[in-house]
Amino acid sequence: GIQVEQSPPDLILQEGANSTLRCNFSDSVNNLQWFHQNPWGQLINLFYIPSGTKQNGRLSATTVATERYSLLYISSSQTTDSGVYFCAVEIEAGTALIFGKGTTLSVSS
Amino acid sequence: DSGVTQTPKHLITATGQRVTLRCSPRSGDLSVYWYQQSLDQGLQFLIQYYNGEERAKGNILERFSAQQFPDLHSELNLSSLELGDSALYFCASSVGFGRNQPQHFGDGTRLSIL
Repeated sequence: GIQVEQSPPDLILQEGANSTLRCNFSDSVNNLQWFHQNPWGQLINLFYIPSGTKQNGRLSATTVATERYSLLYISSSQTTDSGVYFCAVEIEAGTALIFGKGTTLSVSS
Repeated sequence: DSGVTQTPKHLITATGQRVTLRCSPRSGDLSVYWYQQSLDQGLQFLIQYYNGEERAKGNILERFSAQQFPDLHSELNLSSLELGDSALYFCASSVGFGRNQPQHFGDGTRLSIL
């Protein structure tokens, strides 16, 4: 089956720093979602991005489907950005998501 | 607020027992998905229902079953519980099979087996 790999597994930043999280996938996908799991365990939708670039405030994401990777950029990080970031791929529209193992981000003040 | 409601938020029970987790999807969503998040296995897909019918199965144990009712809410039944079933169980919903729309997740039910 398809493999979804995220890097780095852990990231420690000072408040105000920028970071790039990467998601590689081993086969063609219909779509890709980025999630933030906060310390309370909630999974928050960040981006639904099959290709191209999207921006939402300090966060942006780029997916290059032909090269099978996606990047999540976090600028001017804040302590509230701490948590685990997951990417998940969907092989066909409306089917189950396959998750990577996540990147754990810790932002300190 | 994702619009997906899961109850209860927390559940503590003992080995050998049976529990039912409930999910109400977002208004208009026909597909419901169940996922399990455990420390050793990460986030794994269990089962999907679409408009009342089972659509796809993932790594769901035979001790687990689910159904989707005519009002589109879904229940996940876990029986003969073992310590290893302790996990965070998520329900997600989307518009439906074949449609390019994101999945939206509920806040999860945290199950602890003592």
